[in-house]
Amino acid sequence: DTGVSQDPRHKITKRGQNVTFRCDPISEHNRLYWYRQTLGQGPEFLTYFQNEAQLEKSRLLSDRFSAERPKGSFSTLEIQRTEQGDSAMYLCASSSGQAETQYFGPGTRLLVL
Amino acid sequence: QKEVEQNSGPLSVPEGAIASLNCTYSDRGSQSFFWYRQYSGKSPELIMFIYSNGDKEDGRFTAQLNKASQYVSLLIRDSQPSDSATYLCAVTPSGGYNKLIFGAGTRLAVHP
Repeated sequence: DTGVSQDPRHKITKRGQNVTFRCDPISEHNRLYWYRQTLGQGPEFLTYFQNEAQLEKSRLLSDRFSAERPKGSFSTLEIQRTEQGDSAMYLCASSSGQAETQYFGPGTRLLVL
Repeated sequence: QKEVEQNSGPLSVPEGAIASLNCTYSDRGSQSFFWYRQYSGKSPELIMFIYSNGDKEDGRFTAQLNKASQYVSLLIRDSQPSDSATYLCAVTPSGGYNKLIFGAGTRLAVHP
């Protein structure tokens, strides 16, 4: 499978715990994006990497959220001290260049109890 | 005003009919426009993109863009029950291509 992959696909955690998600983009894509989607809404932009550099971060992203892409390949998204409002589908997408189409991974569905 | 607006639906069409999905956007500087299909519980799947005013056809799908009216649409010809899904309109904001701004999606139901 040469598409975008995400791990885990599902995560259930208790409020206050930390969680980390991983995204592996399409191999030749240097741009990687994280989005969050809640029921009945479209995906909402969280952050964007070009190679290993995090170039944009949504103002909606609280300090509890951090993302990395240390070697310009896979990326991780960590949520510290999770809250029930963090329950959502976390989507990763990648593209090969400016204005190129973004291809989404299967997503990680997070449920915070 | 939301940046990208879509009618939430459901839009119900009979099998074989043309389904017309509409989207308006507020950023006049937006340059790239995308339609994604999302089945329940799945991630968005790219259907089409369009950059220039006019029509762009790909199989049963036609995207239409009118930048003056800030309007983009998707036509699905010969609709099939397998087309039943939520269709998301997305645009790139002016000043960069570093993210997509999505509408909330239109739910399409194609009945036999």
